[in-house]
Amino acid sequence: NAGVTQTPKFRVLKTGQSMTLLCAQDMNHEYMYWYRQDPGMGLRLIHYSVGEGTTAKGEVPDGYNVSRLKKQNFLLGLESAAPSQTSVYFCASSSRDSHPYEQYFGPGTRLTVT
Amino acid sequence: GNSVTQMEGPVTLSEEAFLTINCTYTATGYPSLFWYVQYPGEGLQLLLKATKADDKGSNKGFEATYRKETTSFHLEKGSVQVSDSAVYFCALTPYNNNDMRFGAGTRLTVKP
Repeated sequence: NAGVTQTPKFRVLKTGQSMTLLCAQDMNHEYMYWYRQDPGMGLRLIHYSVGEGTTAKGEVPDGYNVSRLKKQNFLLGLESAAPSQTSVYFCASSSRDSHPYEQYFGPGTRLTVT
Repeated sequence: GNSVTQMEGPVTLSEEAFLTINCTYTATGYPSLFWYVQYPGEGLQLLLKATKADDKGSNKGFEATYRKETTSFHLEKGSVQVSDSAVYFCALTPYNNNDMRFGAGTRLTVKP
């Protein structure tokens, strides 16, 4: 049982480059989330999805896009990376049927933009 | 809006010391409250949770009580171990809503 996995674990980009982070979950969860973690700021929600084919903006969505083409996958894209996007990115998932909505987290992706 | 404030760290304790990490929240209605723990190089893991006033969440010797009158959910452990060294996050979700808000995190270091 892998839970939530993220690919890649580390990445270095130059300003202006693009990339996609992949999140996969094998728990058949309906809800999936992307967060960024910055020192002293906890986790902040970037985008989330309540089901296949649907996405919504979170607290800090600017500069990111997402897609949920399959229930088990949630992609986070950076079209033109900026140094301000240097962060650790976490994916999470939760079940629609659980209360409260306990979230399960992946191991994170450390992204550096130079 | 909904938010969580937790005590700033870092916190350094000796093994077997008593731990308290303060957490207060702002939310309308009756949010659910959580403590997550992040060990070095890993993602967050749920440590404990509480869904209504006066509920006590507990796990691995850690406890936290949902206090609506003081809007608090302080984390406590009677005797910490070196293996408890980690970053601890307080979080909330509004009732029937999956918009989770996190505190800034408190880094705990336990020395032998």
